[in-house]
Amino acid sequence: EVQLVQSGAEVKKPGESLKISCKTSGYSFSNYWIGWVRQMPGKGLEWMGIIYPGDSDTRYGPSFQGQVTISADKSISTAYLQWSSLKASDTAMYYCARQGDLVTYYAMDVWGQGTTVTVSS
Amino acid sequence: DIRMTQSPSSLSASVGDRVTITCRASRTISTYLNWYQQKPGKAPKLLISAASYLESGVPSRFSGSGSGTDFTLTISSLQPEDFAAYYCQQSYSTPRTFGQGTKLEI
Repeated sequence: EVQLVQSGAEVKKPGESLKISCKTSGYSFSNYWIGWVRQMPGKGLEWMGIIYPGDSDTRYGPSFQGQVTISADKSISTAYLQWSSLKASDTAMYYCARQGDLVTYYAMDVWGQGTTVTVSS
Repeated sequence: DIRMTQSPSSLSASVGDRVTITCRASRTISTYLNWYQQKPGKAPKLLISAASYLESGVPSRFSGSGSGTDFTLTISSLQPEDFAAYYCQQSYSTPRTFGQGTKLEI
């Protein structure tokens, strides 16, 4: 069974750094893109970016380029999303999701449970 | 970037109703269109990929259609568990943009 398990909720202050994780199992981690999606309180889904763990090729959405860093560690089948300096506007739920292959037309077919990030002074 | 526009933003309906949600892409995306369902406090769930392919385990009352720029999600007979938010997403190019969502309410 394919599973994505995300790290727990975080409460941080503005200016602090943060790295959240998405541990995967049940499939070949290196061979599927894995992405991150933001959902601000009461709002819709925003595609942040994706990474191909096989060669670390990474694509970002324009609103997130330079604001976050997506990375992956093939040795432990885990993807990461990190911030170097958090802002209050980063308060949101963050989901990781596997991007399926051509069979699913690259839909996000398996999702993590989400990580709540709260940034407040 | 491809912009995805969903309508309506919210929809009130009753159990047993037939409902249709539309999604329009700002340029052609062939059938690289996916639909997700999100219930309150839960992660999104993939319902339909490739515009019309029903994912395993998804009830047959859900269906999707369209190609090019115009797509629809139809629920043929609403059940209580269908009241949720629905999002379209294009997977034709990056960034893989989502529509703004449709909240389906009783």
